[in-house]
Order: sequence, then structure tokens, then C-alpha cells
Amino acid sequence: DIVMTQTPLSLSVTPGQPASISCKSSQSLLQSDGKTLFYWFLQKPGQSPQLLIYEVSNRLSGVPDRFSGSGSETDFTLKISRVEAEDVGVYYCMQNMQLLTFGGGTKVEIK
Amino acid sequence: EVQLVESGGGLIKPGESLRLSCAASAFTFSNAWMNWVRQAPGKGLEWVGRIRSKTHGGTTDYAAPVEGRFTVSRDDSKNMLYLQMNSLKTEDAGVYFCTDGRSHWGQGTLVTVSS
Repeated sequence: DIVMTQTPLSLSVTPGQPASISCKSSQSLLQSDGKTLFYWFLQKPGQSPQLLIYEVSNRLSGVPDRFSGSGSETDFTLKISRVEAEDVGVYYCMQNMQLLTFGGGTKVEIK
Repeated sequence: EVQLVESGGGLIKPGESLRLSCAASAFTFSNAWMNWVRQAPGKGLEWVGRIRSKTHGGTTDYAAPVEGRFTVSRDDSKNMLYLQMNSLKTEDAGVYFCTDGRSHWGQGTLVTVSS
């Protein structure tokens, strides 16, 4: 089974400051067709998860451009260039290369 | 607008069975590989099971903790996804989401397992 290890567990960020979340996969998520099946989700309090980034670095339509994803094969990063109050919640990484596995989550709070 | 609406959750005793449903609309449901994901109270997301589209065989996969007890099925004529849960345990409690594993998620249905 592919294990997704997400760090940190929590972040407290001043509005307007950047934030970064890391996710490491226990094996490469790069498929033979060149796609990397890695995703970032945000679950706001009391809501269902919402997709932010798909296939490492592609922002879903409507997601603010302050969110960016990068990485390859086993190491991935989500960056928020300037955190806003509406960004609070728990961020999850997920792989879809082999079934589905989620990272443990990173709780983002505003200072 | 795409909608996934789960139903069927409730309070159930350990060892009993429950069937969850997920109704899809405005969505090419028959082409989608559909998943059930659960979230125990205050915990993270855990994948439960998946069913492929009929064109990909309609076969299923399950997470180890539910293998042999849970069954995912679909009725493409009704745009419905199901999760049959048997021999429920207290650790199966939580909110159950249906999702395509990407941008479409339901609001979840709460399953409580308690004697």
C-alpha cells in the first residue's frame, strides 16, 4: 500500500504571510503515460473536502492563484503565497496511483 | 451543477447492517469510477472502497479494514451508488462521503455504531 506522509501537522499563519505543506509518498506516483496522480484538497470546517490542485500542479478552475502545487514522483509541496482568513481548514494530500490514500492532514489556522 | 447526495446513515448497533446510498445528478455517472471515503469523528479521511465504471469491468476494491464486510455497487440506470455495510464495528463510525476521488464530493452521511 502507498503511504502518504504529510507535514507539518498544523500551521498557524499571520494573514498575508506564506505557508507551505509537504507530502511524501512511499513510492513514485508517476505513471507510464507521464501523469502523476497526486492531489491536494482543503476541508473547511463543517464541509466536504474540496479539490484544489490535481496532478501535482494544476489548479482547479476557481481556485485562487495564491495556491500552487509542485513536486514530482514522491515529494510534493503545496504553497499558499499569502494566506487569507478563508484558507483555514485541514489540507489533505491524496494519491490515486494505487487505490486512494490520503495524508494525515495539516490544520491551518490564522494567528 | 453536479450533485452527489448521500443518504442512509443513522444509529446502528455493533454487528448489524446498514446500506448507504448516493444519488448523482448533472454528472456523467456511468463513466465515473466512484469511491466511498469515511471520516471518523475528529480524524482524517480514509478511503473505504471503489467501483470502476462498467466499461472498465465494474469491479471493486476495498480497504483492508472493511474487506469482506462492505460491498460497493452501482446502478447506472438510476445514477446511484451504494455501500452495503455488514457486521458493523464501533470503529466504522463516522461520516461517509461518496466521491469520484477528484472534484465531486457529497455532503456526507453520518453513521453511528453504538450499543
